[in-house]
Amino acid sequence: AQKVTQAQTEISVVEKEDVTLDCVYETRDTTYYLFWYKQPPSGELVFLIRRNSFDEQNEISGRYSWNFQKSTSSFNFTITASQVVDSAVYFCALSEIRSASKIIFGSGTRLSIRP
Amino acid sequence: DTGVSQNPRHKITKRGQNVTFRCDPISEHNRLYWYRQTLGQGPEFLTYFQNEAQLEKSRLLSDRFSAERPKGSFSTLEIQRTEQGDSAMYLCASSLETAGEQYFGPGTRLTVT
Repeated sequence: AQKVTQAQTEISVVEKEDVTLDCVYETRDTTYYLFWYKQPPSGELVFLIRRNSFDEQNEISGRYSWNFQKSTSSFNFTITASQVVDSAVYFCALSEIRSASKIIFGSGTRLSIRP
Repeated sequence: DTGVSQNPRHKITKRGQNVTFRCDPISEHNRLYWYRQTLGQGPEFLTYFQNEAQLEKSRLLSDRFSAERPKGSFSTLEIQRTEQGDSAMYLCASSLETAGEQYFGPGTRLTVT
């Protein structure tokens, strides 16, 4: 069975602080995708990143970076120099590559950035 | 470039009534997905189509729920004899067959009174 755990329900930091959102996953598949999605207060899920299980290279995009560690089944997301606009619910998610069908989502981490 | 659109955005209905939601995917995407999201939870998969074929249905999709994608373009999700437990946000997403990431619409918020 596939499962995604986001243990941090809510995080609140002051603007400009760095913040890391944790994600741990479980799967029996040998090849899989990992994702992060953002859901701002407006409600629409926004795709942020997809990683393949066979590519453990970390990725940086502007203030965002992702740390994929297969050995610990983790896919953590760091926002550097946070801004108020980063306030949202962030979901980590997983799907198998073979069928690339349903995505299994974690329960989300609500991130609040205080000015 | 238009994204995924869903109509209506909000629906309030009385218990026992039938409701139908519509989703228009990104035009070149051949896969279309339906998810349900309740407060404080992540989206849960309901069903998906590749072109007009419905390839997978979740156990969450009781026999009161039916989805169609007759011409492989837009899709409809119908809930018959709605119950209060059906109150949720219903999300539609689309993707290319060869891609893993799915792009979501704004959702239809259903309230059953």
